[in-house]
Amino acid sequence: QKEVEQNSGPLSVPEGAIASLNCTYSDRGSQSFFWYRQYSGKSPELIMFIYSNGDKEDGRFTAQLNKASQYVSLLIRDSQPSDSATYLCAVNRDAGGTSYGKLTFGQGTILTVHP
Amino acid sequence: DGGITQSPKYLFRKEGQNVTLSCEQNLNHDAMYWYRQDPGQGLRLIYYSQIVNDFQKGDIAEGYSVSREKKESFPLTVTSAQKNPTAFYLCASNQGIYGYTFGSGTRLTVV
Repeated sequence: QKEVEQNSGPLSVPEGAIASLNCTYSDRGSQSFFWYRQYSGKSPELIMFIYSNGDKEDGRFTAQLNKASQYVSLLIRDSQPSDSATYLCAVNRDAGGTSYGKLTFGQGTILTVHP
Repeated sequence: DGGITQSPKYLFRKEGQNVTLSCEQNLNHDAMYWYRQDPGQGLRLIYYSQIVNDFQKGDIAEGYSVSREKKESFPLTVTSAQKNPTAFYLCASNQGIYGYTFGSGTRLTVV
């Protein structure tokens, strides 16, 4: 089992729809969770982070975390063609009492939003 | 503006040659990381450093070496022992709980 696994893509949604991206992780001790967006040929950029169970909303983006099920998701409402990118889920395995902890990434899900 | 600068953007390596990728940050971050990304895959950790003069191997350290002589700099050397070095290399740093800041990446190709 991979440490961080994302739903296989590619995912294609029409403009204006809700895109749902899913991620599961194997280490029950994981403390913090991140979603990055990566355009082709570019470096990842942070969209959302979440630490506590439940939902966290930021504009059109909502991150959802369920530690009991070891599951984190990202919802994108009112999807736009500019949202077309690869979305990477990342998990911090080593809280370790420090703030640093290295991230483990999933393989990414390619999202295409078509007009 | 604060950020991470990676250079060069593109790098070509001949068989048996060592090459060094540069990573410099002016964010005053303590921790720095090197990741490798292959097509269709996520990021895999090569090396990381949390303080000057100290670094640890990541998941795929074989064939790579690093140094951390200054807080701002974390260069990565791809040695001839790395048999499949063609990939996109990303340097990142962080301080605190807000995730990484990434550089713009170096695309390495073996010729």
